Amino acid sequence: EPEVTQTPSHQVTQMGQEVILRCVPISNHLYFYWYRQILGQKVEFLVSFYNNEISEKSEIFDDQFSVERPDGSNFTLKIRSTKLEDSAMYFCASRPLEGSYTFGSGTRLTVV
Amino acid sequence: DAKTTQPPSMDCAEGRAANLPCNHSTISGNEYVYWYRQIHSQGPQYIIHGLKNNETNEMASLIITEDRKSSTLILPHATLRDTAVYYCIVSPRSSGSARQLTFGSGTQLTVLP
Repeated sequence: EPEVTQTPSHQVTQMGQEVILRCVPISNHLYFYWYRQILGQKVEFLVSFYNNEISEKSEIFDDQFSVERPDGSNFTLKIRSTKLEDSAMYFCASRPLEGSYTFGSGTRLTVV
Repeated sequence: DAKTTQPPSMDCAEGRAANLPCNHSTISGNEYVYWYRQIHSQGPQYIIHGLKNNETNEMASLIITEDRKSSTLILPHATLRDTAVYYCIVSPRSSGSARQLTFGSGTQLTVLP
């Protein structure tokens, strides 16, 4: 069964550093998403991406965040200057035109 | 998106049916009921969705009341690996738009040996 692949599975970074979280969505999917989940809290929407541009973003997705689809396969989330409160699980998801979302297994980001 | 109400936790004996309820009294006519689950901080996993008819797949059955104000997810023979947080989400059909899912707190289902 096709999967959404996320790397790395765990990233530790120092406060103020930039991180890039990587995702390989399912190849024929058209919509791409980033969600995050702070430990013990709900899964929260960050951003959706379609046709090489952001479709929608939440208030969490401020100027320190950016997304890119640099080639036909990768979808990245960049956090420019990490803060302690950015520590969370980050999930990538993709979806075809018609159908359900498939989520990756996540990247655990720890900011120290 | 319409809001949903789910019990925070439920237990079920292994091998028995797990029936997870969800109230969505403000659901509108174009909104579907989706069920996802999350096993211990893994990514959410799609289970099933429906509009107004009952649905069944290899994982579960979805029973939607006639007035569509509530639904029940049924796992017919729960196993220990079904222990997870189950999310009931109502959302318009996603075709043609990038509409995201809005997750609530879900129901923590614990399957007991």
